[in-house]
Amino acid sequence: EIVLTQSPGTLSLSPGERATLSCRASQNIDRNFLAWHQQKPGQAPRLVISGASNRATGIPDRFSGSGSGTDFTLTISRLQPEDFAVYYCHQYSTYHYSFGQGTRLEI
Amino acid sequence: EVQVVESGGDLVQPGGSLRLSCAASGFTYSGYWMFWVRQAPGQGLEWLASVNEDGSAQFYVDSVKGRFTISKDNANISLYLQMNSLRAEDTAVYYCVGGLSWGQGTQVTVSS
Repeated sequence: EIVLTQSPGTLSLSPGERATLSCRASQNIDRNFLAWHQQKPGQAPRLVISGASNRATGIPDRFSGSGSGTDFTLTISRLQPEDFAVYYCHQYSTYHYSFGQGTRLEI
Repeated sequence: EVQVVESGGDLVQPGGSLRLSCAASGFTYSGYWMFWVRQAPGQGLEWLASVNEDGSAQFYVDSVKGRFTISKDNANISLYLQMNSLRAEDTAVYYCVGGLSWGQGTQVTVSS
């Protein structure tokens, strides 16, 4: 099983600032099958990034994903008020999927 | 537009059974893996089970193996999760995911 560790646990920033969220895997993630999901309070998660760097439909270009192997990053270039949420990384490269524990992005 | 809609959540007693359903539209259902994820109150996301494109292979997290069964009906564009021997710790919102698109979730509460 691949264990995903996200850091930091909580990130406190202000609108307009840049956010950098990290996701580290316990073993190599093949084919860059790594996604990022956003979850706001009381809502279902929503796909933000798939394949490590591909923005999902409707996701603004201030969101970008990068990385390969075991180290991946989600960057939000200029935070908007609606971006404050919990973000989960998720690997789907093995038969047994897994999620990171989440990074809470707060004002 | 991809849409995924779960149903079947309910209050059930410990040891009981429940079947969740998931209807999908807006993508080539038969060409995708589908999976279930749950979220206990105040907790993160936990992957539970996946099924391959044609429904012939299923994979489970250890905590539900032998109790939960995932199945995929391509003819009816539906996904199911049969849950048996339910425990209090199975209480959670259950999400269906297809093509990495999420449903809105359905609440399962296990309590006497």
